[in-house]
Amino acid sequence: AQKITQTQPGMFVQEKEAVTLDCTYDTSDPSYGLFWYKQPSSGEMIFLIYQGSYDQQNATEGRYSLNFQKARKSANLVISASQLGDSAMYFCAMREPSNQAGTALIFGKGTTLSVSS
Amino acid sequence: NAGVTQTPKFRILKIGQSMTLQCTQDMNHNYMYWYRQDPGMGLKLIYYSVGAGITDKGEVPNGYNVSRSTTEDFPLRLELAAPSQTSVYFCASLIVGAGELFFGEGSRLTVL
Repeated sequence: AQKITQTQPGMFVQEKEAVTLDCTYDTSDPSYGLFWYKQPSSGEMIFLIYQGSYDQQNATEGRYSLNFQKARKSANLVISASQLGDSAMYFCAMREPSNQAGTALIFGKGTTLSVSS
Repeated sequence: NAGVTQTPKFRILKIGQSMTLQCTQDMNHNYMYWYRQDPGMGLKLIYYSVGAGITDKGEVPNGYNVSRSTTEDFPLRLELAAPSQTSVYFCASLIVGAGELFFGEGSRLTVL
C-alpha cells in the first residue's frame, strides 16, 4: 500500500483564488511528521510547511496552511490567494520513525498546480 | 551559505559507463540522503547516511553505491549505467532526526 497518496495529478486555479491540494497518508506510528514541498519548473525542492502528529493546531506559514485531519489521515495543503508564481509541482511527504530509514521522507507522486491570470 | 551542493548538474552517459555524483554540505548536518525522481513521479530513496562511516540502503539501491568518509561529503556512484537510471538525482541533508530536509538543486542524468 502506498504510504502517501496524492490523488490529483493536476489542479487549475485562477489568481487570487484559494486552492486545496489533497494528501492522505498511511502509518501505524503514533509519532510522525508531514511535510509539503514545492518544485517549480526550475527543479529545486522548496520546503513549505510541516505538521507534527501531536501538534494540536494546524500549521500555517504565510499563505500556506495545512488542514490536518488525524482521524481521516489527511494532510491537505491550502494555498490562499494564489499567485502566478505558485504554478509548480507540489509534493506531500511523511517521516515515519518506525521505517528502516526513519529520518528520511517518503514522498507522494505530486500534484501539478497551474495558476492562470 | 552554500547549503547542499551537487555536481554535475547535467550528464549524459553511455550504457555501461560509470560515474560519481558529488554531494557536499556545509551545514555540519549528520544525516544525508540520495533520492531519484523519475518523470512525473515522486522522490524515491536510494541510500542514506546517519553520520560519517555509516550508510544504509533505501528503497531503490540496486545499481548504486555510496560512501561517507566525512560529515560534509556523500558521493553516489553509478556502476555500469543502464537506461533505467535515467533520472534526476537529489542529495539532501538533515541536522538531527527531525525537521525538514535541505535539498541540493538536483543532477539530471541521461543514459543512452
